[in-house]
Amino acid sequence: DAGITQSPRYKITETGRQVTLMCHQTWSHSYMFWYRQDLGHGLRLIYYSAAADITDKGEVPDGYVVSRSKTENFPLTLESATRSQTSVYFCASSESGLRDHTDTQYFGPGTRLTVL
Amino acid sequence: GQNIDQPTEMTATEGAIVQINCTYQTSGFNGLFWYQQHAGEAPTFLSYNVLDGLEEKGRFSSFLSRSKGYSYLLLKELQMKDSASYLCAVRGITGGGNKLTFGTGTQLKVEL
Repeated sequence: DAGITQSPRYKITETGRQVTLMCHQTWSHSYMFWYRQDLGHGLRLIYYSAAADITDKGEVPDGYVVSRSKTENFPLTLESATRSQTSVYFCASSESGLRDHTDTQYFGPGTRLTVL
Repeated sequence: GQNIDQPTEMTATEGAIVQINCTYQTSGFNGLFWYQQHAGEAPTFLSYNVLDGLEEKGRFSSFLSRSKGYSYLLLKELQMKDSASYLCAVRGITGGGNKLTFGTGTQLKVEL
């Protein structure tokens, strides 16, 4: 049971380049989320998805694009990377959006992105 | 929106008890989560409260008072491996009721 995986785990890129971070989960969870984690800010939601082909903005969506053509995959694309997007990116998934204890969000291992 | 406050750092002694507080202001409340995050790793789920009161799970307990916008995480019989960041997160009622807003985390250091 692989759970939730992210790739790459580490990425160094240059300003202006396009970068795609991958997230894959094997639980068939409906909800998937992208967060970034920075010192002093904690985890901030970038985008989330309630199901395939349904996505919505979170707290800090500018400069990012997401898609969800399949339930198990939720890629995050930085269309033109900037230094301010240097961060650790976590993908998470949860079973549903109902008011239920089992809607715990489970996190992937993270991708450490550096934009030079 | 939501605003969540928790102390930045705490230090405690191995074998002792420590309480990490979290206060929040929210326009819609659908539960409060505590996560543990070791350095360089992903957050992992510790506890969940949606009703007032204490939830106990082994060495870890979490308390919630919705009227006061207050929660705490209680760690007993501290071990060195408990040195980590503890994240308080509030679930809102928009976005299907499953969006989390996180505090900045409390870095706990357990010393001998």
